[in-house]
Amino acid sequence: KAGVTQTPRYLIKTRGQQVTLSCSPISGHRSVSWYQQTPGQGLQFLFEYFSETQRNKGNFPGRFSGRQFSNSRSEMNVSTLELGDSALYLCASTGQGNTEAFFGQGTRLTVV
Amino acid sequence: AQSVTQPDIHITVSEGASLELRCNYSYGATPYLFWYVQSPGQGLQLLLKYFSGDTLVQGIKGFEAEFKRSQSSFNLRKPSVHWSDAAEYFCAVGPPNQAGTALIFGKGTTLSVSS
Repeated sequence: KAGVTQTPRYLIKTRGQQVTLSCSPISGHRSVSWYQQTPGQGLQFLFEYFSETQRNKGNFPGRFSGRQFSNSRSEMNVSTLELGDSALYLCASTGQGNTEAFFGQGTRLTVV
Repeated sequence: AQSVTQPDIHITVSEGASLELRCNYSYGATPYLFWYVQSPGQGLQLLLKYFSGDTLVQGIKGFEAEFKRSQSSFNLRKPSVHWSDAAEYFCAVGPPNQAGTALIFGKGTTLSVSS
């Protein structure tokens, strides 16, 4: 079956703009988590959605938000982009029983 | 505070030699434990996981890990390293009731393999 799909793979934005990233989970998976990966801070948990509801949230400012649709696809939005938001954003989906997170290849966001 | 420590930022191992990557964690209860591998420009692939039971767990690609509760450690091992094992390795912990989500990662260990 198809894996976790993230689009776009690469993105360049200007400081102050906003951006939306998309994640399609593995078919049947209802939980989608988002992570930010930077060289300095490593992998940090942003938030998790389950059945269209945010179930867990990491320690990020309100500029970072997300949502999940009825088909489990998820989007995350970053408003008022800052240079420090440049990162690889990874999405992971988890299926019934919550035993393993499957990761997508990520979206590389560069803020200039 | 919950955290994961991988003391070794970079390790170089000769091809065919054994490997051990260290991981220590701090968590309120016994978490679910994971090791992931990431190749350049790629997402994360799960190597193995520990939830309960036998403290020595086997994973893919010949990797194994041992959970030691008294030391809050979950070290990754491989008896004989192959050049294709060169990558970045991450140890992670997650809440026991939501095993695959809200993971806390260590900063990673980069493995180089010399011939």
